[in-house]
Amino acid sequence: DTAVSQTPKYLVTQMGNDKSIKCEQNLGHDTMYWYKQDSKKFLKIMFSYNNKELIINETVPNRFSPKSPDKAHLNLHINSLELGDSAVYFCASSLRGSGVYEQYFGPGTRLTVT
Amino acid sequence: RKEVEQDPGPFNVPEGATVAFNCTYSNSASQSFFWYRQDCRKEPKLLMSVYSSGNEDGRFTAQLNRASQYISLLIRDSKLSDSATYLCVVVPAGGTSYGKLTFGQGTILTVHP
Repeated sequence: DTAVSQTPKYLVTQMGNDKSIKCEQNLGHDTMYWYKQDSKKFLKIMFSYNNKELIINETVPNRFSPKSPDKAHLNLHINSLELGDSAVYFCASSLRGSGVYEQYFGPGTRLTVT
Repeated sequence: RKEVEQDPGPFNVPEGATVAFNCTYSNSASQSFFWYRQDCRKEPKLLMSVYSSGNEDGRFTAQLNRASQYISLLIRDSKLSDSATYLCVVVPAGGTSYGKLTFGQGTILTVHP
């Protein structure tokens, strides 16, 4: 009965590979997000989708491509992985309207690029 | 200047102590403010919203000073379970930022017996 789930939890891969992270929420929320937390612990938003529509797209390399097949799922595909992509990636969700800033985060995916 | 700045700490306090964290933000048009909490190697969770009039939730009190662009969090009677990183969060102004949270670096708190 996990509210926001992510898979995989850990991902170790080599430079140049392509990988995907999946996120699902069962809270009935209509807005989902991807955040990146780097080694200095700064948490920065990357993307946001509302009802499958992209509404926030921060300055992120084109190698990162989010996809939202429906409002309960938001996946992140990363092409040509680089060492600097190593970080913890958090998915989050919220309900548009007054609760949009009460975001529920998934457990994170710890990505290590070697 | 960073959008949201916090003293990273760490703050080491004994159980029962009162501790306060501060946070400053650079955009005077910022519209909403929050404190999130992140336990070690876990996800962030909303602790409380911050209102202009100040608000309290049990042992936690949040204050906002718009004139000084300053937010604070006060924890009274600290418990061991309060040990965590406290993240100051600011919402930028503007419709294109809808849903966007800007996080500070976080302040590490360790409460010891």
